[in-house]
Amino acid sequence: GAVVSQHPSWVICKSGTSVKIECRSLDFQATTMFWYRQFPKQSLMLMATSNEGSKATYEQGVEKDKFLINHASLTLSTLTVTSAHPEDSSFYICSARVGLAGSYNEQFFGPGTRLTVL
Amino acid sequence: QKEVEQNSGPLSVPEGAIASLNCTYSDRVSQSFFWYRQYSGKSPELIMSIYSNGDKEDGRFTAQLNKASQYVSLLIRDSQPSDSATYLCAVNDQKGNKLVFGAGTILRVKS
Repeated sequence: GAVVSQHPSWVICKSGTSVKIECRSLDFQATTMFWYRQFPKQSLMLMATSNEGSKATYEQGVEKDKFLINHASLTLSTLTVTSAHPEDSSFYICSARVGLAGSYNEQFFGPGTRLTVL
Repeated sequence: QKEVEQNSGPLSVPEGAIASLNCTYSDRVSQSFFWYRQYSGKSPELIMSIYSNGDKEDGRFTAQLNKASQYVSLLIRDSQPSDSATYLCAVNDQKGNKLVFGAGTILRVKS
């Protein structure tokens, strides 16, 4: 199956600093990647849809200036959490779609990045 | 009404039994349906996809889709303690651009 990697797998940072998370599709080209956030014992929450070469589409309530997304190539998308605060501590997971939008929309998830902001 | 609904559980089954997980969705034009398994502290893993009415089998897993009833289910035969996880039902949205996830059903298989 399609393999998606994320780096780092976990990060601890001080309040006010910025953290960059990378998401890579290793054996396929992903025109679209997705960024999710998951708090303990809660369901996945889609933050944004990232399309290669264009601006990301953010879900309602997600601050685009705080969560910067760049999708510069077909195999790499990055999420930067700017000026992180303790309430941003969460499990951030990316996924990549195989193929184009439409009926067949399989998404494969990266292993996730656990962010802790002190 | 939530777009994708699942019973949160936990669903407890004895080892070796059949676990039946259910999901309903609200958007009639949805075309693609997926089951993901998520272990505690890990990211979701795709285990089944189904696009047509009827059953689709893969090893111990069978996905069932009924578009008229807007219902999709996952059967796990010969359940094992290693199947204990949260199972997420996902449906593509109207435009086919993104997946809408249910909240998940916790499955516990007791040995």
